[in-house]
Amino acid sequence: AQSVTQLGSHVSVSEGALVLLRCNYSSSVPPYLFWYVQYPNQGLQLLLKYTSAATLVKGINGFEAEFKKSETSFHLTKPSAHMSDAAEYFCAVETGRRALTFGSGTRLQVQP
Amino acid sequence: NAGVTQTPKFQVLKTGQSMTLQCAQDMNHNSMYWYRQDPGMGLRLIYYSASEGTTDKGEVPNGYNVSRLNKREFSLRLESAAPSQTSVYFCASSLIASPKDTQYFGPGTRLTVL
Repeated sequence: AQSVTQLGSHVSVSEGALVLLRCNYSSSVPPYLFWYVQYPNQGLQLLLKYTSAATLVKGINGFEAEFKKSETSFHLTKPSAHMSDAAEYFCAVETGRRALTFGSGTRLQVQP
Repeated sequence: NAGVTQTPKFQVLKTGQSMTLQCAQDMNHNSMYWYRQDPGMGLRLIYYSASEGTTDKGEVPNGYNVSRLNKREFSLRLESAAPSQTSVYFCASSLIASPKDTQYFGPGTRLTVL
C-alpha cells in the first residue's frame, strides 16, 4: 500500500533562509504525490502536485518540490522563507483507491 | 462561491450521544470525502463518495456512517459517540475521483466527546 513519511514534525528557520521539508514515499507503482498546507484554524490548501509529468514541480507561494525516484523522495523547498509561511505542511500520496493518504505533518516556524 | 462548507464548527458531545456532521460544496464536484485529523497522525480517510449514489469505506470507517444526500451534500453520522472520536473532521471534494484531481477542503469541525 502507498504511504508517505515526513521526517521532522517541527522545523524552524529564520526569515529569508531556505525551507526544506522532507517527504519519502512508499509505492509499488509510480505515485501521484501532493503537498498541502494548513494555516491555523483553517482547512488544507493544495500547494503543488506531481502527476508523472515534469519531476520538478512548481507550486503556489514560491514553493517547489522535486520527485526523485531513486531516493523515493518528494521534498518541498522554498529559497527564502517568509513569516507568512508559518503553517503545517502535509505530504500525501494517492492510495490507489481514489483517495489520499497523508503524512503526519511538519510544522514550520519562521523566526524573525 | 463558498467552496466547501461544514457545520457545525464546534461540537461537544457526551459518550453515547449521536450527531451528524454536514458538508456541502457548490463547485459541482462529483467526489466527496470525510477525513479526521488527530495530533501527530495527519489526516485519515473515513469514507468517500466517488459519485452521487456511491459510498466507500476509507482507512478508519468504524463507528461512522455516511450519506450522499445529493451531488452537493455529504454527511457523516456518529451513532454512538466515543471519546476516541474526539478529533477535527474535514470534508473535501474533487471534480472526479482521480488521483490527479485536486481535493478542496472545508474549514473543519472540531468535535470533543466527553
